[in-house]
Amino acid sequence: DAGITQSPRYKITETGRQVTLMCHQTWSHSYMFWYRQDLGHGLRLIYYSAAADITDKGEVPDGYVVSRSKTENFPLTLESATRSQTSVYFCASSETSQPQHFGDGTRLSIL
Amino acid sequence: AQSVSQHNHHVILSEAASLELGCNYSYGGTVNLFWYVQYPGQHLQLLLKYFSGDPLVKGIKGFEAEFIKSKFSFNLRKPSVQWSDTAEYFCAVNNNFNKFYFGSGTKLNVKP
Repeated sequence: DAGITQSPRYKITETGRQVTLMCHQTWSHSYMFWYRQDLGHGLRLIYYSAAADITDKGEVPDGYVVSRSKTENFPLTLESATRSQTSVYFCASSETSQPQHFGDGTRLSIL
Repeated sequence: AQSVSQHNHHVILSEAASLELGCNYSYGGTVNLFWYVQYPGQHLQLLLKYFSGDPLVKGIKGFEAEFIKSKFSFNLRKPSVQWSDTAEYFCAVNNNFNKFYFGSGTKLNVKP
């Protein structure tokens, strides 16, 4: 089915571990985005990508790494997870720089 | 720095009451403005957007928003809310440097 898929939906891990959140879209949209959603902060942009092999930092990129080797995938990696990265993560895609379609989110807990 | 402010963090209304959610932004140049809605347990959906033209924008489900440039505001309104409007509402701004910023959100509870 066409759409945007995030995996896993839920993840619990420990501090210091590496975690990768996956995002896949079937529309071939140029733009993809990663946001984190925290109480009192709304959605904050972590990284975005305007096309394959083009990525750029958002508001809160520290501690995160992204790649975009294929248009349809935009994985987000926490290289050494910290408790402050406990959050709900949303991936989005769009044909423009305004995020249009959002995934269902990944709820990440870091103990 | 660019910022988006939603001063009402939590709003409680009875059905049929009128709704107005405030949104102010700080960027002085040309902006595009958006409202998104997140129903409980769901992902964000675009409610309406303003790029140019008529500053009163109509969106889905009876929502509208008015862009007032002199006040740097883009408030969301609905004349008569329903229980199904219970959700969190996010204002967002996109400036001409292709940066996109969300406000912190307003949770709306509509009592049946």
